[in-house]
Amino acid sequence: AQKITQTQPGMFVQEKEAVTLDCTYDTSDQSYGLFWYKQPSSGEMIFLIYQGSYDEQNATEGRYSLNFQKARKSANLVISASQLGDSAMYFCAMREGQGGSEKLVFGKGTKLTVNP
Amino acid sequence: DVKVTQSSRYLVKRTGEKVFLECVQDMDHENMFWYRQDPGLGLRLIYFSYDVKMKEKGDIPEGYSVSREKKERFSLILESASTNQTSMYLCASRRLAGGHRKQFFGPGTRLTVL
Repeated sequence: AQKITQTQPGMFVQEKEAVTLDCTYDTSDQSYGLFWYKQPSSGEMIFLIYQGSYDEQNATEGRYSLNFQKARKSANLVISASQLGDSAMYFCAMREGQGGSEKLVFGKGTKLTVNP
Repeated sequence: DVKVTQSSRYLVKRTGEKVFLECVQDMDHENMFWYRQDPGLGLRLIYFSYDVKMKEKGDIPEGYSVSREKKERFSLILESASTNQTSMYLCASRRLAGGHRKQFFGPGTRLTVL
């Protein structure tokens, strides 16, 4: 079973509008972390934002915010005021394991296209 | 500035060749990872390492091996390349403890096996 589900293979948004990218996760751990990465066409994975399972506030980083709903096991990425440079693949990931064996499990990604 | 480098951005090899993909990080990170990325499948973990000479299998280790002789370097080896190993390969590293332990990624190597 998938541990990270991104149900939107592709999304379109107009420049300057906000967009939400969906991510649901599956874990029985009490302590876990959720990440969002951006991958432009150049290929490099860029860290955007992190949410810990015990964090009481939703994480924010500039125009990025994470809508964390623990009971629903969702961690949606919200991008405000979209820019053309936001066009990229976006991956949600969850940290699992402990210590040196800790690793990330990634979703299949959402391709975001920002239209002028 | 933190840096993860990979030996090649693009690589073309023939079926049956032995292929080495090199990854170097300059952040003194304990953990290093190798992923492959295919369209529609996201990133899948091949192998990872948490110390020199230590390695653990990820989700898809078949057909691959790894080597970590020095802390800063993590090599992915395709013993006998096959066409189904044509893919984008991404290396990452992270600190073992502290903070939220995010992974830092290299630019990727796009490997084509003919």
